[in-house]
Amino acid sequence: NAGVTQTPKFQVLKTGQSMTLQCAQDMNHNSMYWYRQDPGMGLRLIYYSASEGTTDKGEVPNGYNVSRLNKREFSLRLESAAPSQTSVYFCASNHRVNEQFFGPGTRLTVL
Amino acid sequence: KNEVEQSPQNLTAQEGEFITINCSYSVGISALHWLQQHPGGGIVSLFMLSSGKKKHGRLIATINIQEKHSSLHITASHPRDSAVYICAVKERGNEKLTFGTGTRLTIIP
Repeated sequence: NAGVTQTPKFQVLKTGQSMTLQCAQDMNHNSMYWYRQDPGMGLRLIYYSASEGTTDKGEVPNGYNVSRLNKREFSLRLESAAPSQTSVYFCASNHRVNEQFFGPGTRLTVL
Repeated sequence: KNEVEQSPQNLTAQEGEFITINCSYSVGISALHWLQQHPGGGIVSLFMLSSGKKKHGRLIATINIQEKHSSLHITASHPRDSAVYICAVKERGNEKLTFGTGTRLTIIP
């Protein structure tokens, strides 16, 4: 089992560029999440998906879109990157009320 | 809005010391999680608890639902315990977690 995988690990973008962060889990979990982690702040939820075909906004959704492509995959898209989106992004998944499993993170810098 | 506060923010201790990290929250919850984030960045779940106490090796987590408070204890601390420890709570009827800002623990040999 690979658990939760994320690609890429690192990315540098220029302001206005777009990109998609990929996340996949092989644990047959229903729920998947995208978080961002910034210095001095707790992890903040961007979007989540309680099941295949459904997505909901979290605390900080502006500037992002998501796709729950199937049960395994949940992608996060930045349509027009801004310096304020410089952060470390984590994908996570869980089954119902159980513990969350986190991916290794993507470190994104927007210049 | 649920607030999750951790203390201390930073903690430095000598190898072998007993460590306590605290977490307080403001609303009723269904579960509390303790997570560990190593300098490499990966986040690992240590405990999920809704009442009482759980133990795993040298780590012990307790929760007092009435006081809205949880503690994470590390016995016989070791330099490899150096990490950021994060508390997160799940409100009743809500899929989402609210996270504390973390406690940075450094254990000196």
